[in-house]
Amino acid sequence: EVQLVESGGGLVKPGGSLRLSCAASGFNFSTYSMIWVRQAPGKGLEWVSSISGSSSYIYYADSVKGRFTISRDNAKTSLYLQMNSLRAEDTAVYYCARVISQMIMFGGVIGGYSWFDPWGQGTLVTVSS
Amino acid sequence: DIQMTQSPSSLSASVGDRVTITCRASQSISRYLNWYQQKPGRAPNLLIYAASTLQSGVPSRFSGSGSGTDFTLTISSLQPEDSATYYCQQSYSAPPWTFGQGTKVEIK
Repeated sequence: EVQLVESGGGLVKPGGSLRLSCAASGFNFSTYSMIWVRQAPGKGLEWVSSISGSSSYIYYADSVKGRFTISRDNAKTSLYLQMNSLRAEDTAVYYCARVISQMIMFGGVIGGYSWFDPWGQGTLVTVSS
Repeated sequence: DIQMTQSPSSLSASVGDRVTITCRASQSISRYLNWYQQKPGRAPNLLIYAASTLQSGVPSRFSGSGSGTDFTLTISSLQPEDSATYYCQQSYSAPPWTFGQGTKVEIK
C-alpha cells in the first residue's frame, strides 16, 4: 500500500524554525517527484514546494522562497521541509504528496500530465507567540 | 501565474440530485486540470485527472469534462458521503501549481 506519513509539526514562535518530515512507503520513492502543499485554517490549498526524484529540480512558492528548504533522502524514502523565519501566516496544515506524471493521448495529441496522489494525513504547524 | 476560479463557492443539494461545479482558468490550460475531494479533517483525495479521467476506485457518479479555460465536475446522483469540499488544480504551467478556492457541497 502506498503511504505517506508526515511528522514534525507543532507550536513555534514567530521567527523560529521547524523541520517537517514525510515518510514514504509502498512505492519506488526515488523515481517520483514530491511536493508540499499547505492549508491555512478554514482556507484552501496552496502549493509550497516541489522536488524531483533526483533532487535536480527544486521549486518554491514566492511566499516561502528564501525561508523554506525542501530536501529528500531516497535511501530513507523520506521527504523534508526545513522552515525558517516562520511567520504567523505560515500557520497551516502541511501535506506531502506524490506527483504522478504520465504521457496521455487525447484526440491524437500526446501530452505530459501530472497530478498529486496520494496525500499524507497532514501535520499542523502553528506560529504564535 | 494561472488563476483558477471555482463556482459556486458552496451549494446545498438533496440526495439523488445532479450537482455541477465549474472551474475556470485565467488562460487556456488544454486538459491539464485535476479535481480533488476533501472531507473535513482529512487530506485531499484525487478524483479526476487530465480533465476527465476517473481515478481508480472513484465512484462512477463522478465525472469531469472541459478543455481550454472551462471545466466541470459533475456528481450524477449526490450521495450523503459526497458532502465535502472540491478543488480543481491546474498542471499546465507549473510551478506554481495552482488550485481553485474550493466548492463546499452540503447535503440538504
